[in-house]
Amino acid sequence: AQSVTQPDIHITVSEGASLELRCNYSYGATPYLFWYVQSPGQGLQLLLKYFSGDTLVQGIKGFEAEFKRSQSSFNLRKPSVHWSDAAEYFCAVGGATNKLIFGTGTLLAVQP
Amino acid sequence: NAGVTQTPKFRILKIGQSMTLQCTQDMNHNYMYWYRQDPGMGLKLIYYSVGAGITDKGEVPNGYNVSRSTTEDFPLRLELAAPSQTSVYFCASSYSSLAGIYNEQFFGPGTRLTVL
Repeated sequence: AQSVTQPDIHITVSEGASLELRCNYSYGATPYLFWYVQSPGQGLQLLLKYFSGDTLVQGIKGFEAEFKRSQSSFNLRKPSVHWSDAAEYFCAVGGATNKLIFGTGTLLAVQP
Repeated sequence: NAGVTQTPKFRILKIGQSMTLQCTQDMNHNYMYWYRQDPGMGLKLIYYSVGAGITDKGEVPNGYNVSRSTTEDFPLRLELAAPSQTSVYFCASSYSSLAGIYNEQFFGPGTRLTVL
């Protein structure tokens, strides 16, 4: 079955600290992988995506993610978190069907 | 470009009422989608469309209907509203060429629906 698991429902980090949000997927074909961010009351904005090629992808707002096929993971990282990064983060997997499967999200809180 | 727009932003319905959630995109995308988002559940696909005149069910289609008469518009219809349909609804669009190259989905701001 196709699925996305985000094991951390809620994470709190201090401003300036590093961040890693975990994402594991199960997908029967070559996956396309995405991270989206959702601020309160807003729609989803794409942070970054992986289709093929270099397994370390750079996104907007200083985020990056690494695709590890052997671990079926696509973890999101940021070296230094800003207060404005507080939001909910969704990992998603898709493929040739052009349909996305979303994880349940990780809510990030940033302490001053 | 306005991107993906949705109306209304908020709506309260009584059980058994019907309504249509509107979605329009101005990016000439061929694919359009409707999702619902419930707390702690992520986004679930309700219906999607690969082009005008073509729609298909997603993961949670029961209680909803869609149509796609133009490239730009993809309305979602609730015929007999139930409390279980209380949710936030997102419309999205993307472009995929005939060669199957897949691009990311762009999301609208959402419609918050409450059924009492």
